[in-house]
Amino acid sequence: EVQLQQSGAELVRPGTSVKLSCKVSGDTITAYYMHFVKQRPGQGLEWIGRIDPEDDSTKYAEKFKNKATLTADTSSSTAYLKLSSLTSEDTATYFCTTVGAAWGQGASVTVSS
Amino acid sequence: DIQMTQSPSFLSASVGDRVTINCKASQNINRYLNWYQQKLGEAPKLLIYNANSLQTGIPSRFSGSGSGTDFTLTISSLQPEDVATYFCLQHNSWPYTFGAGTKLELK
Repeated sequence: EVQLQQSGAELVRPGTSVKLSCKVSGDTITAYYMHFVKQRPGQGLEWIGRIDPEDDSTKYAEKFKNKATLTADTSSSTAYLKLSSLTSEDTATYFCTTVGAAWGQGASVTVSS
Repeated sequence: DIQMTQSPSFLSASVGDRVTINCKASQNINRYLNWYQQKLGEAPKLLIYNANSLQTGIPSRFSGSGSGTDFTLTISSLQPEDVATYFCLQHNSWPYTFGAGTKLELK
């Protein structure tokens, strides 16, 4: 059974970037597309994009194309989400998921000066 | 992008009630629709995949139906532990899109 372990909570300054990690265990990372999902406090779920770790190909939702960058490292079985030029609108919990049964526990990002 | 219109936004029901939640896609998504349950402070949990397939370990009171543009999640007999927010997700085409969610509470 594949399991996803995400990095911890982040408190970051406006205008900076943050890189979140999602480590895969229980199966090979190349067996799945890895998706990332945003959830603002008290709000719904937004699909950010996905990466295919097999060939590093990516797909993004339009609104995240200049905000998010997805990468993967097969040697460490880890996928990454980098968020740039952070504003208060980026304050949220970010989940990695296969879109099936496997979800990370979520990583909270708070953007504040 | 495919828009997913989920209804109702809020639902109050009693233990034992039959509950239905709907998602309507703005275009044909075949059967590429998943349903998730999210409890407060937790990650979403997959209930139903590909419109009508029950995920392993999920109680049989949950079921899904539909194809094309109209989909339904049914809870046949509501239990207290079903209090949560429910989301649909279309995975027919990029970008994937979620419904806005249905918050289910006990009456």
